[in-house]
Amino acid sequence: AAGVIQSPRHLIKEKRETATLKCYPIPRHDTVYWYQQGPGQDPQFLISFYEKMQSDKGSIPDRFSAQQFSDYHSELNMSSLELGDSALYFCASSSNSGTRRYNEQFFGPGTRLTVL
Amino acid sequence: GQNIDQPTEMTATEGAIVQINCTYQTSGFNGLFWYQQHAGEAPTFLSYNVLDGLEEKGRFSSFLSRSKGYSYLLLKELQMKDSASYLCAVKYGGATNKLIFGTGTLLAVQP
Repeated sequence: AAGVIQSPRHLIKEKRETATLKCYPIPRHDTVYWYQQGPGQDPQFLISFYEKMQSDKGSIPDRFSAQQFSDYHSELNMSSLELGDSALYFCASSSNSGTRRYNEQFFGPGTRLTVL
Repeated sequence: GQNIDQPTEMTATEGAIVQINCTYQTSGFNGLFWYQQHAGEAPTFLSYNVLDGLEEKGRFSSFLSRSKGYSYLLLKELQMKDSASYLCAVKYGGATNKLIFGTGTLLAVQP
């Protein structure tokens, strides 16, 4: 079965640079979520999109922005990178339409961002 | 905030049973998930509870008490490959489906 695809899997950037992370949800999933997981920490919700509109916003810095495109893929744009941005960034997708009981979120493999 | 508390670490023996507890703030509760996460990998779905009671799925079971703001994940017949972090995640009410994760419990299964 198709899973959530994230690219790149690994990314190394320097302070003050920009980075773009991409997420391709499972086909027919209409909702995308972004989470940030620092070393030894639990995933922290950043932002989500439903049907290409922002549906919720968590602890996402103003330096970050995201969008969901017409093909439902999403991009997380990160500018003025700081050392503290080094983390695993997970994208998850779910289907929030229809009669699914609990809208399970399926996680992608993550992008490991290292800021030097 | 919505504090979700789990023990930080647990150790158990291969073949045994282990119970991982999770407590959460009940206001706005709209469902609880358990995920397994191996180091550096994505969380994978284990179970979901929204009503009180026990949900069984093979070697894994999850229990929920909404009035107490309490859940546990029960792992039976432990295998070495069960060594991982176990994340309790709560979905709170409203239009959003975002998950608030607990701190995770790192389970070490010993021979």
